[in-house]
Amino acid sequence: ETGVTQSPTHLIKTRGQQVTLRCSSQSGHNTVSWYQQALGQGPQFIFQYYREEENGRGNFPPRFSGLQFPNYSSELNVNALELDDSALYLCASSFGGGQAAEAFFGQGTRLTVV
Amino acid sequence: AQSVTQLDSQVPVFEEAPVELRCNYSSSVSVYLFWYVQYPNQGLQLLLKYLSGSTLVKGINGFEAEFNKSQTSFHLRKPSVHISDTAEYFCAVSENSGYSTLTFGKGTMLLVSP
Repeated sequence: ETGVTQSPTHLIKTRGQQVTLRCSSQSGHNTVSWYQQALGQGPQFIFQYYREEENGRGNFPPRFSGLQFPNYSSELNVNALELDDSALYLCASSFGGGQAAEAFFGQGTRLTVV
Repeated sequence: AQSVTQLDSQVPVFEEAPVELRCNYSSSVSVYLFWYVQYPNQGLQLLLKYLSGSTLVKGINGFEAEFNKSQTSFHLRKPSVHISDTAEYFCAVSENSGYSTLTFGKGTMLLVSP
């Protein structure tokens, strides 16, 4: 059983650019959630995908978008990068979109916007 | 809307001493509660969770937590800490309605010294 893997592990982008982060969910999981963790803060929910559909969204602007593929892997896209987008982006997978479903986290992608 | 308050940003403790990390939550509906640990440059790992039933929950690595509904608290305890327990600890809540999303506190850094 493979765990949740994210790529790349580190990334440096310039303000105004676009970025795509990738996540492979744990085997057997059909739900992927994305979180943003700014330095010194707890993770904040961006959105969740369940069976390829967006299943919920946090308080993030539309320039944060995502996709889930038939194999349940997922992408997070951020357009028009701002300095405040610098953070650790965490992907979590689970089976089902229920509240009690245990979320397994990847190691994250550290995005630095300069 | 739900929220989580972790009352201590940092807790220093000596090895083999007991420790308690405090967590209070706010929600208008019933909730599920979680504690996650984050080691440096790592993702989040689930320590334990409260879904229902016994209010005392035992987790991995010798940690336990007690759900107190009247005080809206879910404090994490360990009777004897090790150097390897040095990490950031996050309390999280998920409301018992709709899709699953975790709301995290800002974290408590546990610093264990010899």
